Amino acid sequence: EDKVVQSPLSLVVHEGDTVTLNCSYEVTNFRSLLWYKQEKKAPTFLFMLTSSGIEKKSGRLSSILDKKELFSILNITATQTGDSAVYLCAVGGQGAQKLVFGQGTRLTINP
Amino acid sequence: SQTIHQWPATLVQPVGSPLSLECTVEGTSNPNLYWYRQAAGRGLQLLFYSVGIGQISSEVPQNLSASRPQDRQFILSSKKLLLSDSGFYLCASSDWDYGYTFGSGTRLTVV
Repeated sequence: EDKVVQSPLSLVVHEGDTVTLNCSYEVTNFRSLLWYKQEKKAPTFLFMLTSSGIEKKSGRLSSILDKKELFSILNITATQTGDSAVYLCAVGGQGAQKLVFGQGTRLTINP
Repeated sequence: SQTIHQWPATLVQPVGSPLSLECTVEGTSNPNLYWYRQAAGRGLQLLFYSVGIGQISSEVPQNLSASRPQDRQFILSSKKLLLSDSGFYLCASSDWDYGYTFGSGTRLTVV
């Protein structure tokens, strides 16, 4: 059975800190790993990773995939209160482009 | 790019009543369509997916059903709601030109 596990489940830090969120997976016929940010409603897309070792970067956020060890990390530097959200990791396999989601990490940034 | 319209945003229904949630997609043709449910504090669970008109696959046994009467329309239904059907329901569309896009979600409370 395909599985995605995120850690930690919850994280509280102060504004300006750097955080690392983890995602490990077991899936047959891996195709891609995606990170989403979910505030109150629909998840919004952050990154899609398909190749090992290539960092994707967008402003203060960055992510990298290790296909050998089957995990990915999402880094957020110089955190701001607006970064507070649930961060979801999802993995797509072959066939119908279905995504398997992790439980999410609830990140809270205190001023 | 794809746009997903999902309604209603919130819904409170009594146990035993029927349900119909609708989702329509713009900006793409022949997308794969999905219904996900998110229980409080948890990740997204895939309920149904569809690769074409009239083609529905169910991922988990449940009290719900799905239909795709048109290429860009996906409907989630129930004949009689249970308390356990409460949750946040998300419609999603995938098209590898545009990736994975979510609707704004419906928060269903069964009372």
